Amino acid sequence: EDQVTQSPEALRLQEGESSSLNCSYTVSGLRGLFWYRQDPGKGPEFLFTLYSAGEEKEKERLKATLTKKESFLHITAPKPEDSATYLCAVGRGGGADGLTFGKGTHLIIQP
Amino acid sequence: DGGITQSPKYLFRKEGQNVTLSCEQNLNHDAMYWYRQDPGQGLRLIYYSQIVNDFQKGDIAEGYSVSREKKESFPLTVTSAQKNPTAFYLCASSIGTTDGPLHFGNGTRLTVT
Repeated sequence: EDQVTQSPEALRLQEGESSSLNCSYTVSGLRGLFWYRQDPGKGPEFLFTLYSAGEEKEKERLKATLTKKESFLHITAPKPEDSATYLCAVGRGGGADGLTFGKGTHLIIQP
Repeated sequence: DGGITQSPKYLFRKEGQNVTLSCEQNLNHDAMYWYRQDPGQGLRLIYYSQIVNDFQKGDIAEGYSVSREKKESFPLTVTSAQKNPTAFYLCASSIGTTDGPLHFGNGTRLTVT
């Protein structure tokens, strides 16, 4: 059974204080590692997909990396608007079987 | 703008009543999904459909039913058999032919009392 574990559950940072969120996974065969951002009361917003170890993707202050067992979401010099819950997910199986999600990391950036 | 529309945003029902949540997409995606989100839990897959007139159970299908009569629409019915129906329900879609991302609507918060 696929498993996705995110840590920490919550993280409070000062504005400008860089950090990383962790997503460790156990799957029989990785079919994509996905990062989402979710604001309160809204649906998740897609950020990145990573498919193979060593792959990296960047968007503004966010950078996602992937190894064979885990993925990191690095946040550089965060701003208060980066506050959100960040979700990690892996592909469930072939084609369009959906994603298995972790419980998320609730990130708060204080001004 | 293309996207996924879920309605209503908030829904209140009495225990013992069936309720149907609407999900419409204009992204021309083949696959559609329903997830449930509870506080402190990850999103859990209820049902998914890879093509019109076909759907599969996810991890927590008991007490729910779906239909897929049109490519654009994937309504979810929460039946009286669902023991803990109060939750945030999210609909999503994907192109369906590759291991691509899911695109989500903004959810329906269902409260059953």
